[in-house]
Amino acid sequence: EAGVAQSPRYKIIEKRQSVAFWCNPISGHATLYWYQQILGQGPKLLIQFQNNGVVDDSQLPKDRFSAERLKGVDSTLKIQPAKLEDSAVYLCASSSIAGGLNEQFFGPGTRLTVL
Amino acid sequence: EDKVVQSPLSLVVHEGDTVTLNCSYEVTNFRSLLWYKQEKKAPTFLFMLTSSGIEKKSGRLSSILDKKELFSILNITATQTGDSAVYLCAVGPKAAGNKLTFGGGTRVLVKP
Repeated sequence: EAGVAQSPRYKIIEKRQSVAFWCNPISGHATLYWYQQILGQGPKLLIQFQNNGVVDDSQLPKDRFSAERLKGVDSTLKIQPAKLEDSAVYLCASSSIAGGLNEQFFGPGTRLTVL
Repeated sequence: EDKVVQSPLSLVVHEGDTVTLNCSYEVTNFRSLLWYKQEKKAPTFLFMLTSSGIEKKSGRLSSILDKKELFSILNITATQTGDSAVYLCAVGPKAAGNKLTFGGGTRVLVKP
């Protein structure tokens, strides 16, 4: 079974620039999550999708962050414009059932550096 | 707001030692507690605990949950250098969505 795929693996941009990350979840997983992990901290949920609908985006800074999962499969997370404090690893995860007791499977992450 | 606190922040041990990692939590309508190991990038799943007092075991790793006192312990016996990683604890509520709140992690370094 293929795991969660993410790209790019690394990205360096200057502040005020835009950046986009891509995630392809495990086949058949209806639920997709985007996390932000700042160095030395645990992952923080940004947004959760169930199929192509948003379940939770309460911690997404909506003035600069956006995410979509138009066809209910892969997803993109965008930051526009980026700030220095957005430097972090962005992790995508998926699980098979949103309401059930299923662990989340994580992708390798994208390390973003904002200069 | 749900809260997860892990201790210690970091520790250094030698191969063969036993380590005990702690995770305390405050969550509305607790459903599950999960342990993950993070070596480089992606956290990998270790255990999910839902019932109090039941020990989950996998090789040299084991974990137990105390729902009354709101904490969990992860034990690693006979540590090896490959156990060096950050260990993350996360809790999930009984709400729709399977949302997880993570602690800050414990960094474990096992020296030869």
